[in-house]
Parts: sequence; structure tokens; C-alpha cells
Amino acid sequence: NAGVTQTPKFQVLKTGQSMTLQCAQDMNHNSMYWYRQDPGMGLRLIYYSASEGTTDKGEVPNGYNVSRLNKREFSLRLESAAPSQTSVYFCASKDRLNTEAFFGQGTRLTVV
Amino acid sequence: GQSLEQPSEVTAVEGAIVQINCTYQTSGFYGLSWYQQHDGGAPTFLSYNALDGLEETGRFSSFLSRSDSYGYLLLQELQMKDSASYFCAVDSNYQLIWGAGTKLIIKP
Repeated sequence: NAGVTQTPKFQVLKTGQSMTLQCAQDMNHNSMYWYRQDPGMGLRLIYYSASEGTTDKGEVPNGYNVSRLNKREFSLRLESAAPSQTSVYFCASKDRLNTEAFFGQGTRLTVV
Repeated sequence: GQSLEQPSEVTAVEGAIVQINCTYQTSGFYGLSWYQQHDGGAPTFLSYNALDGLEETGRFSSFLSRSDSYGYLLLQELQMKDSASYFCAVDSNYQLIWGAGTKLIIKP
């Protein structure tokens, strides 16, 4: 049982480049999330998807776009990377009726 | 806005008991969760309170008072491996909103 699989683990981008972070879960969860975590800080919600076919902005959505491709997959896209987007990104999934959120291993993104 | 407040750092001695508090202000509330995160790792689930009262899971207990918008995580018999950051998080209208985290430092 893989849980939440997030790729890539590490990425270095130049300012202005684009990239997509991939996330897939195999637990049949309805809700999926993208967070960013800056050093010494908590997780800030970028976007979330309460169910397949829906996406909503979180606390810090500017500069990002998401796609809920199907129930399993939720991708995060940076169209034009900026140094301020240097962070650790976590994908998570959660069943609406359940209590526990499961996290991917994180993507350490550096924008130079 | 929505916010969760918790202390930034707590220090305790190995074998002791420590309590980490969390107060919240959110537009919706379905439950309060606690997560542990070691340096360089992903958050892992510890406990969840949907109703008022105490939930116990081994050395960890969590408490919730919805009328006070307050909860805490209690860690007993502290071990060095418990050195980590601890986050409270609120289920709010399909969002999962997080506090900034409490770094727990354990001294031998």
C-alpha cells in the first residue's frame, strides 16, 4: 500500500521556468491538498480539492494552479517560478469522514 | 481570518510530561488534530478530537474544549525520539488549517 506518492523529491528551477508537481493516492480518499512549508513555519494551504472535479483556493494560491485529474491524482503547477516559491511542498489526502490526513514525502523546491 | 495559536517552542526533560496548547479561531469546526513532524520528514498523525474531552493513545493524550476553542496535546514519559515539531490542525469546511507548530526540545 503506497499511500500518497509525490514526485519529484527535489527540484531546482530558474526564475521564470515552469514545472508540475505530481501527487497520487491509492486510498480512495475524496479530499486532497497542496501545502507549502517554509523553514520554521507551519503548513500553509495552497489549494485543495474536496472531491473529484472540484478545486478551491487556500491561503496562498497566487502563482499556482492545480488540476484534480481524477480521484487519485492532484497536481500542482508553477507557471513562472519565482524565488519566493522556494519551499518544501507537501501533498496530502484525507477521507471526508475520516480523521487522519496522509502526506507525501515532500518536494524540496529551490528557485534561483 | 482563520488562525491557530500554539507556543513556538517547549523544553522538557526526558521522562517528564509536557503539554502543548492550541487555541483556534476558524469559520467552521469539525475537529482538532495533532501531528508530529521530525526534521526533514512529513507530518504524521497523532490524534483527533471531534468532541469535548480527552482522547488517549499510549503515551499521547489530546484534549478539546469546543466552547473555549482550545485544545492540548499531552506527552508522557518523554523520550529523546519525541524531539520534533508538533502541529495542531482544524478541520474547517473541507480545509485543514494548521498552526505554526511547537518545537519540542528534550534534554537528557
